[in-house]
Amino acid sequence: DAGVIQSPRHEVTEMGQEVTLRCKPISGHDYLFWYRQTMMRGLELLIYFNNNVPIDDSGMPEDRFSAKMPNASFSTLKIQPSEPRDSAVYFCASSLGIYEQFFGPGTRLTVL
Amino acid sequence: EDQVTQSPEALRLQEGESSSLNCSYTVSGLRGLFWYRQDPGKGPEFLFTLYSAGEEKEKERLKATLTKKESFLHITAPKPEDSATYLCAVQAYQKVTFGTGTKLQVIP
Repeated sequence: DAGVIQSPRHEVTEMGQEVTLRCKPISGHDYLFWYRQTMMRGLELLIYFNNNVPIDDSGMPEDRFSAKMPNASFSTLKIQPSEPRDSAVYFCASSLGIYEQFFGPGTRLTVL
Repeated sequence: EDQVTQSPEALRLQEGESSSLNCSYTVSGLRGLFWYRQDPGKGPEFLFTLYSAGEEKEKERLKATLTKKESFLHITAPKPEDSATYLCAVQAYQKVTFGTGTKLQVIP
């Protein structure tokens, strides 16, 4: 298996623009997680899905953030409009059961 | 609210100098405690899962232990390739909380 795939790997955008991050989980995994990592706050859970259904989105910082999982092999995290404070590395992870998670390589987002 | 505290924030060891990393936690209904390793520019990589107090897991130079309030990651005779950030995470019902990590540097 190729592992968790994320795209793009790097994204540079200007404040106010829409940003869409993409994730393909490991085939057969039933949980998908979106995290944000910064030096100041460490790794923060934003939202997670079980069988494509959002279970807990309490970590989503505000209404500018939204996430979808239209099927078992694809998820998106969208930020609209983006702000400089959204600059971070965004990780997607998947797991079989809510146990050990397998992380993707991350998307480094820079908002100017 | 679930809390996970890791210490020290950073640790510098000479090659071969054994030490331990600490993860203390406060969680209602612990389902599992996880250790991950993260290399610069990469996503965290799973190392161990511990489920109950007294449990131990080993992998090469790493050994993880669990009590009711904390977990330790013991590193025996570390090598430079063990340099990384080590993250601890706890799982309560339907929720996982990560600590901020310990950055380990092993000097040849």
